[in-house]
Amino acid sequence: EIVLTQSPATLSLSPGERATLSCRASQSVSSFLAWYQQKPGQAPRLLIYDASKRATGIPARFSGSGSGTDFTLTISSLEPEDFAVYYCQQRSNWPLTFGGGTKVEIK
Amino acid sequence: EVQLVESGGGLVQPGGSLRLSCAASGFTFSTYGMSWVRQAPGKGLEWVSVIGGSGSTTYYADSVKGRFTISRDNSKNTLYLQMNSLRAEDTAVYYCAKGQTTWTFDYWGQGTLVTVSS
Repeated sequence: EIVLTQSPATLSLSPGERATLSCRASQSVSSFLAWYQQKPGQAPRLLIYDASKRATGIPARFSGSGSGTDFTLTISSLEPEDFAVYYCQQRSNWPLTFGGGTKVEIK
Repeated sequence: EVQLVESGGGLVQPGGSLRLSCAASGFTFSTYGMSWVRQAPGKGLEWVSVIGGSGSTTYYADSVKGRFTISRDNSKNTLYLQMNSLRAEDTAVYYCAKGQTTWTFDYWGQGTLVTVSS
């Protein structure tokens, strides 16, 4: 099973700041990595797929990078609605796995 | 507009059974793989099972293999999850999710809560 480790667990930032979230895989997942955003009481929302492709309707301030085992989700300038939990997910190998999540909170 | 609406959750005793349903609309259901993903209270996301568009391909997480069965009825645009031998650790919100071209999930339902407790 591929283990995805997200860091940091919590990121405390102010609106307008840049957020950098990390996802590290226990073995290579090539570019088969996605990022999701989840707000309290809501379902997850797809942000990025295949490491760097923005999903439909996702603002340009969200970007993804990386390949192999190291991936990054960057939010260039945090908007109030961006404070949420972010998960990475790999589809390279069965079973599909999610990271433990990074909570982006208001400082 | 893509819509996924789960139903069938509730309170069940350990060892009991439950069947979840997910009614889909707004896309050609038979063309896309579908999945169940769960989230225990206050915890992260856990993938449970997937099924291909035709229903002939299925995969399961080890934690549910042999106890849960995923299926679909393309004539009714509905996804199912039959859950047997339920355990306390199966307590979670269960989401159905639509596969994109492969096993990335571009639309999610609002979830249905399953509570396993005596």
